[in-house]
Amino acid sequence: SQQGEEDPQALSIQEGENATMNCSYKTSINNLQWYRQNSGRGLVHLILIRSNEREKHSGRLRVTLDTSKKSSSLLITASRAADTASYFCATDSGGSNYKLTFGKGTLLTVNP
Amino acid sequence: DTAVSQTPKYLVTQMGNDKSIKCEQNLGHDTMYWYKQDSKKFLKIMFSYNNKELIINETVPNRFSPKSPDKAHLNLHINSLELGDSAVYFCASSHRRDLLSYNEQFFGPGTRLTVL
Repeated sequence: SQQGEEDPQALSIQEGENATMNCSYKTSINNLQWYRQNSGRGLVHLILIRSNEREKHSGRLRVTLDTSKKSSSLLITASRAADTASYFCATDSGGSNYKLTFGKGTLLTVNP
Repeated sequence: DTAVSQTPKYLVTQMGNDKSIKCEQNLGHDTMYWYKQDSKKFLKIMFSYNNKELIINETVPNRFSPKSPDKAHLNLHINSLELGDSAVYFCASSHRRDLLSYNEQFFGPGTRLTVL
């Protein structure tokens, strides 16, 4: 069954604005990861946040995790046209299972 | 020096045919995966191998058979192709869980399979 659900499904903003995408999940997790997929390409890992962390930064990316609400958000600041892509959250429930469960993704369009 | 490579990039074939997709990673990872991404971009795990051993086998038709000749390669063979098999198939790899506490995955460029 699907674990992550991203919200919104699509987001269109102007260059320079901030973009916020949300992800909700259903079961307990070991960590949550965000990936980017440019059109026609494979997924690229952006950032990982562990279940005992609440916030993490990497360049223009900021990820938060609220395990009580089973939700995470990805903030991209000062967006650029090159940020146009689909963004997926993926949850790792830990254990001996190596499985990542992906959400349906948010399509972000940054207009120049 | 591509990290995770897949061949072919595009595959167009008739219903009922048998086809294979190959994947290779040069990252030294022990674990490899096959995912299927449908037309709505939903990405679903199909199989995972850790050091040539099958560790994840989701509810996938028996027509799909993975094969890992060594830990750097994971191929996917599909028998009796059906229209519903049309999708993009991604290979990925990661470190073993017991070496690192997380499994950041590295994806190949994908193989777009079209069944006519």
